[in-house]
Amino acid sequence: DTEVTQTPKHLVMGMTNKKSLKCEQHMGHRAMYWYKQKAKKPPELMFVYSYEKLSINESVPSRFSPECPNSSLLNLHLHALQPEDSALYLCASSQGSGTPGNTIYFGEGSWLTVV
Amino acid sequence: SQQGEEDPQALSIQEGENATMNCSYKTSINNLQWYRQNSGRGLVHLILIRSNEREKHSGRLRVTLDTSKKSSSLLITASRAADTASYFCATVVNTGFQKLVFGTGTRLLVSP
Repeated sequence: DTEVTQTPKHLVMGMTNKKSLKCEQHMGHRAMYWYKQKAKKPPELMFVYSYEKLSINESVPSRFSPECPNSSLLNLHLHALQPEDSALYLCASSQGSGTPGNTIYFGEGSWLTVV
Repeated sequence: SQQGEEDPQALSIQEGENATMNCSYKTSINNLQWYRQNSGRGLVHLILIRSNEREKHSGRLRVTLDTSKKSSSLLITASRAADTASYFCATVVNTGFQKLVFGTGTRLLVSP
């Protein structure tokens, strides 16, 4: 069972709404990630946080705004999304992001539907 | 961006048979990881193989890595219906920060 917890499991939002996805881990990991996965496609990296600082932003549109309040929490704030943003959003964590070879652990994901 | 291509895209076998999935990648890697994803669920880490390793075992799983051919394979022996899932290889591209890039995935169906 994963030790990365994501809430909510399902979210339906309108294009003018503001909502947030939340992710929590208590493994003492210092790197956290957001991935986006469309149906029948592989996950694609969106953001990497290392020691609570944004390290990688894969040219994600500004309507997605990540936040790392502390080493255990990672949020993804959503505003003015488009229907094509509907996807499974996966949070992950690892011991560190600067050391290759660390296993990356994923949460169960949040299913987002934009209407 | 996508690093790896997997084949087959889909594989259908009977319980008890072995399943082999192949992954090819493009750039130099530090390590390669295999993940399983049940339909609509999160990713479960299966095994990590480092670039200086050639073979690794974990239970019914056997992973090989050939860095000269930039390819890896995942073998599941004595498959069970519960092994039905999508399987992804993922390579770690070290850009200063660990970046996990997934292959296209293989959908495995194991029939009782």
